[in-house]
Amino acid sequence: NAGVTQTPKFRVLKTGQSMTLLCAQDMNHEYMYWYRQDPGMGLRLIHYSVGEGTTAKGEVPDGYNVSRLKKQNFLLGLESAAPSQTSVYFCASSYADFGTVLGRTSGANVLTFGAGSRLTVL
Amino acid sequence: KQEVTQIPAALSVPEGENLVLNCSFTDSAIYNLQWFRQDPGKGLTSLLLIQSSQREQTSGRLNASLDKSSGRSTLYIAASQPGDSATYLCAVLTQGGSEKLVFGKGTKLTVNP
Repeated sequence: NAGVTQTPKFRVLKTGQSMTLLCAQDMNHEYMYWYRQDPGMGLRLIHYSVGEGTTAKGEVPDGYNVSRLKKQNFLLGLESAAPSQTSVYFCASSYADFGTVLGRTSGANVLTFGAGSRLTVL
Repeated sequence: KQEVTQIPAALSVPEGENLVLNCSFTDSAIYNLQWFRQDPGKGLTSLLLIQSSQREQTSGRLNASLDKSSGRSTLYIAASQPGDSATYLCAVLTQGGSEKLVFGKGTKLTVNP
């Protein structure tokens, strides 16, 4: 059981180049997420998906695009890379179980993270 | 907008000491709160998840508490070991339609032999 796999693990780009990061999960999770992690900024959500064929913007979506054509894959694209996009990118996935029972709203949404992709834009 | 704060940003303790990491959040309308561990150069590993209706969760030497009304959570680590050295992050899942986690910036823990 591989969990969440990110490729590539490392990449160096020149300003203006394009690339795609691939995230694959084998846990049949509905939700998938792309985060970036920068020193002093913590983890910030770029885009996420609540199911196959759906995507939504997170906190810092500008300069990125995503696609979820298959349930198990979530792609993050940089059309024209900029030095400000130098970061470590993490993909995560989760099942989702939200609901209200007896007036109590609860959710079970344990995230499983990939190992990260370190991207440097020169 | 949900904001999650973790204090202190870094903590260094001698081996064997019991310690507490703190997490606070501004919007109490949450589904749950999670504590994660991140080792250098690695991804995040989920340690404990506390549902909004729960007060605490325990796993081995770890105990996480949640006081939703005051917007606070603590992670208690008993009898700390050098292998506990890592960055610990808390994250809350906020209600309101978007159902996504908001992370704190983490506390970097160093346990000295």
